[in-house]
Amino acid sequence: EPEVTQTPSHQVTQMGQEVILRCVPISNHLYFYWYRQILGQKVEFLVSFYNNEISEKSEIFDDQFSVERPDGSNFTLKIRSTKLEDSAMYFCASSDPRGVDTQYFGPGTRLTVL
Amino acid sequence: AQSVAQPEDQVNVAEGNPLTVKCTYSVSGNPYLFWYVQYPNRGLQFLLKYITGDNLVKGSYGFEAEFNKSQTSFHLKKPSALVSDSALYFCAVRAPYSGAGSYQLTFGKGTKLSVIP
Repeated sequence: EPEVTQTPSHQVTQMGQEVILRCVPISNHLYFYWYRQILGQKVEFLVSFYNNEISEKSEIFDDQFSVERPDGSNFTLKIRSTKLEDSAMYFCASSDPRGVDTQYFGPGTRLTVL
Repeated sequence: AQSVAQPEDQVNVAEGNPLTVKCTYSVSGNPYLFWYVQYPNRGLQFLLKYITGDNLVKGSYGFEAEFNKSQTSFHLKKPSALVSDSALYFCAVRAPYSGAGSYQLTFGKGTKLSVIP
């Protein structure tokens, strides 16, 4: 069964450093998403991406964040200058146009900012 | 703005007994409702969804959920709990398709289900 994959599973970085989180969505999907979950809190929407552009973003997704689909398979989230409060589990999700209602999630990347 | 409430942080149930995990929602228009399950150190796994049609929807692993429009609820149920059902369960809501590309899911805070042998 196809699934969303994410790398790395755990990323440790120093405050102020740039990080790139990588995702490979399900191959025939066209909508892509990033969510995050701070430890003990809700899963929160960050951004959605379709047709090579951001279709929606939350207030969390400020200028420090960017997304990209650099090739036909990868979808990345970049945090330009990490802060302590960026420490969270980051989930990638994808959905296809026909089943645009169901988002399938990856296993997540745990980001720890020191 | 859309929102989801899961009023119970934890639900304990004996193996073999029926289980219910509660969820209420708020959204403009007809809701798209979902349940996801998260096992330790794993991602969110899709369980089931309600878009339209029969108010009782069936999903993976014997789970089902009942949509109640008047009570704005979407409770998750299973007739006979298994120890392996122990996990964190999230209810999520999305606004109906509007053509504007707004597909973000809003999640509840999660309910930890513990099934006791």
